[in-house]
Amino acid sequence: DADVTQTPRNRITKTGKRIMLECSQTKGHDRMYWYRQDPGLGLRLIYYSFDVKDINKGEISDGYSVSRQAQAKFSLSLESAIPNQTALYFCATSPGPGETQYFGPGTRLLVL
Amino acid sequence: RKEVEQDPGPFNVPEGATVAFNCTYSNSASQSFFWYRQDCRKEPKLLMSVYSSGNEDGRFTAQLNRASQYISLLIRDSKLSDSATYLCVVNTGTGRRALTFGSGTRLQVQP
Repeated sequence: DADVTQTPRNRITKTGKRIMLECSQTKGHDRMYWYRQDPGLGLRLIYYSFDVKDINKGEISDGYSVSRQAQAKFSLSLESAIPNQTALYFCATSPGPGETQYFGPGTRLLVL
Repeated sequence: RKEVEQDPGPFNVPEGATVAFNCTYSNSASQSFFWYRQDCRKEPKLLMSVYSSGNEDGRFTAQLNRASQYISLLIRDSKLSDSATYLCVVNTGTGRRALTFGSGTRLQVQP
């Protein structure tokens, strides 16, 4: 079984809809991250969490919110999706600061 | 200026060739460095960490030059399976910051 899982793997939605992307991990890591990847722009950090009560904005948090329901679960929400949020979204975990990050398989989101 | 910059490529090389990628970073306080590999439409995966003294893992060699603020990755005897995008990753060490990823360099190894 994969250590970091994401659901759904693919999602098509319409402008204005609320959607949630979920991430679960079995690695026992405290730190979890949400990134988006766009062609030519690389990975950009949306939100990160160092434990259940510690959530921080990344470089592109506008239009997104997160919830850390447990050490193993970190969800990303788009309250009102817009077309420029069409991207590949990755969840990642790490055991500590500056250490290797382990990525989930990604969620491909298309906003029409 | 981007925090981490890479030549996007693509680098098209024949099998068996040696290829090198460079990456520059802007924050002199950066503390840890990595190379990740990403296959098309897949998640990034750690290829190797980069140590101050340089390090090697099979056909792959990573080097760090702190004075010039760049990192390199050398791939010897390229295989078709090396075709991927290589991401340079830097921990800027500014408090609790997460890692910063370069945009990646695409490598295509041809038969």
